[in-house]
Amino acid sequence: EDQVTQSPEALRLQEGESSSLNCSYTVSGLRGLFWYRQDPGKGPEFLFTLYSAGEEKEKERLKATLTKKESFLHITAPKPEDSATYLCAARGLYGGSQGNLIFGKGTKLSVKP
Amino acid sequence: DSGVTQTPKHLITATGQRVTLRCSPRSGDLSVYWYQQSLDQGLQFLIQYYNGEERAKGNILERFSAQQFPDLHSELNLSSLELGDSALYFCASSVGTSGGVMETQYFGPGTRLLVL
Repeated sequence: EDQVTQSPEALRLQEGESSSLNCSYTVSGLRGLFWYRQDPGKGPEFLFTLYSAGEEKEKERLKATLTKKESFLHITAPKPEDSATYLCAARGLYGGSQGNLIFGKGTKLSVKP
Repeated sequence: DSGVTQTPKHLITATGQRVTLRCSPRSGDLSVYWYQQSLDQGLQFLIQYYNGEERAKGNILERFSAQQFPDLHSELNLSSLELGDSALYFCASSVGTSGGVMETQYFGPGTRLLVL
């Protein structure tokens, strides 16, 4: 069964304290690994798409990486405005996620000044 | 702002009732997706339409149905509502479904449904 698991469920950081969020996936024929940011009561906001192991993408303080089994979202010197829930989603070629996204439950990040 | 619009923003109704949620995709996007987000389940894919035709189904209940109109806007109909249907409902859109193309889905602001 296609599955996406994120850890930790919640993460509290001090401003400037770098860390990483993990996304483990079990998807038949991965056709894309997506990261979204979601603020309370709002829709998910697209951040990155990764397609193949070894690929990396960066945007401001965020860097996403991909291996054959997991993806990491690295946050460097975070600021309070980075506080949000970060969602990981995978799309597979076969099975339950064929053509569509399977989401993890997210990591809720809080950054204190 | 993703360019995807959803109405209404909030909806309060009673058990047994029927409601309709509306979504307008980004300009030029042909695919529309519906998702349900609850506290315990996370984001769950319900159904996808591409250029007016149903393309994929996820965990959508038989009490729920959707359609996409010629102007590409979509409606999600929820009937015989139960307390457990209370959730955030999101619409997303992408350019279109094409074999081998891993498209990004852009999400709307959502409709918060409360069933009392």
